[in-house]
Amino acid sequence: EAQVTQNPRYLITVTGKKLTVTCSQNMNHEYMSWYRQDPGLGLRQIYYSMNVEVTDKGDVPEGYKVSRKEKRNFPLILESPSPNQTSLYFCASSPIHGVQPQHFGDGTRLSIL
Amino acid sequence: RKEVEQDPGPFNVPEGATVAFNCTYSNSASQSFFWYRQDCRKEPKLLMSVYSSGNEDGRFTAQLNRASQYISLLIRDSKLSDSATYLCVVVPEAGSYQLTFGKGTKLSVIP
Repeated sequence: EAQVTQNPRYLITVTGKKLTVTCSQNMNHEYMSWYRQDPGLGLRQIYYSMNVEVTDKGDVPEGYKVSRKEKRNFPLILESPSPNQTSLYFCASSPIHGVQPQHFGDGTRLSIL
Repeated sequence: RKEVEQDPGPFNVPEGATVAFNCTYSNSASQSFFWYRQDCRKEPKLLMSVYSSGNEDGRFTAQLNRASQYISLLIRDSKLSDSATYLCVVVPEAGSYQLTFGKGTKLSVIP
């Protein structure tokens, strides 16, 4: 089954404790992206990657890091989480040949206390 | 002017009604357009792409008006299961893989 898998689905943690949200896709997609979704603000892009070792900032990259060492994986790293990073996070992927809609993971709900 | 704007709603309509949403975009160079559906606390899912000539998929019709820079989604014969938030999504320019999302329009279909 074609899918984008995020882990964990839910996490409550404390300010300053480094965390990583993993994202993996099994569709051999080149493009992967991270979004956060907040009430009243909609979906905002954090970082994206066009292929292995190619990443770039989206609209709200501050406080986040990403890496793309393998095509299937695109982890999101919060080195020193803060309460304003409490949000619902989505990972998405798509092919880059032609304009393709993106496939989303189930989401990760992060609460930073 | 915001890049992609949608009426947040909520639109409360009875079963069987026809409902239409519009979405305006500010970048005239925008090339590709989609409608996504998002159920509460779930991931967005592609509903349909929007083609220049307009396109239909069952009870759903999408249209693009480049001159006025808006896209629309028409839902006929609304079902309870259509209750969701509908997101307008725009690719800002040719060759871009970045998506700009509207904030969504909430639809509630009432028995």
